[in-house]
Amino acid sequence: AQSVTQLGSHVSVSEGALVLLRCNYSSSVPPYLFWYVQYPNQGLQLLLKYTSAATLVKGINGFEAEFKKSETSFHLTKPSAHMRDAAEYFCAVSDPVSGTYKYIFGTGTRLKVLA
Amino acid sequence: DGGITQSPKYLFRKEGQNVTLSCEQNLNHDAMYWYRQDPGQGLRLIYYSQIVNDFQKGDIAEGYSVSREKKESFPLTVTSAQKNPTAFYLCASSIALATDTQYFGPGTRLTVL
Repeated sequence: AQSVTQLGSHVSVSEGALVLLRCNYSSSVPPYLFWYVQYPNQGLQLLLKYTSAATLVKGINGFEAEFKKSETSFHLTKPSAHMRDAAEYFCAVSDPVSGTYKYIFGTGTRLKVLA
Repeated sequence: DGGITQSPKYLFRKEGQNVTLSCEQNLNHDAMYWYRQDPGQGLRLIYYSQIVNDFQKGDIAEGYSVSREKKESFPLTVTSAQKNPTAFYLCASSIALATDTQYFGPGTRLTVL
């Protein structure tokens, strides 16, 4: 069965520092992977997705993620944090082979950016 | 502009009452979904629909019901059988099921008093 683990429910970084949000997945085949961002009391917005093309995926707002099959990871990074990056981030996995219909979401990581 | 709308943004109901949450999309997507979000638990799938007049239970369907009479609409009813209905509800849609990117609405926060 697929699963997604986001290490660290809360992450704090200083403004201008590197952002690293961790996501590990469990899947029998290379999955499709997604990162979403959620601002307070809003819906989820797609940051980026991996669909078996380039392993380094660039998304919106300066974020990127690297798919590492050997580590079953899809960590999200941004070189320099900005105050507006403070939000909750969700990693999700979808299996393209089994035909399952649904995403499996991680429990989320709340990012705090310190001035 | 294309997108997904959910109404209302905030909803208050007394315990024991049924309540219906609206979800409308003008993206011409075939698939639609309802999720429930609770603090620290991520998103959990309630129901999903691949096409009009067809829908399937997700992981936590008990106490909820849906209909899909039109392609653009997928309302969710929270019934009195749902034991803990207070939560943030998110509607999403995608071109098709499975791997297509899901696009989310702004959500409805339901509070049962």
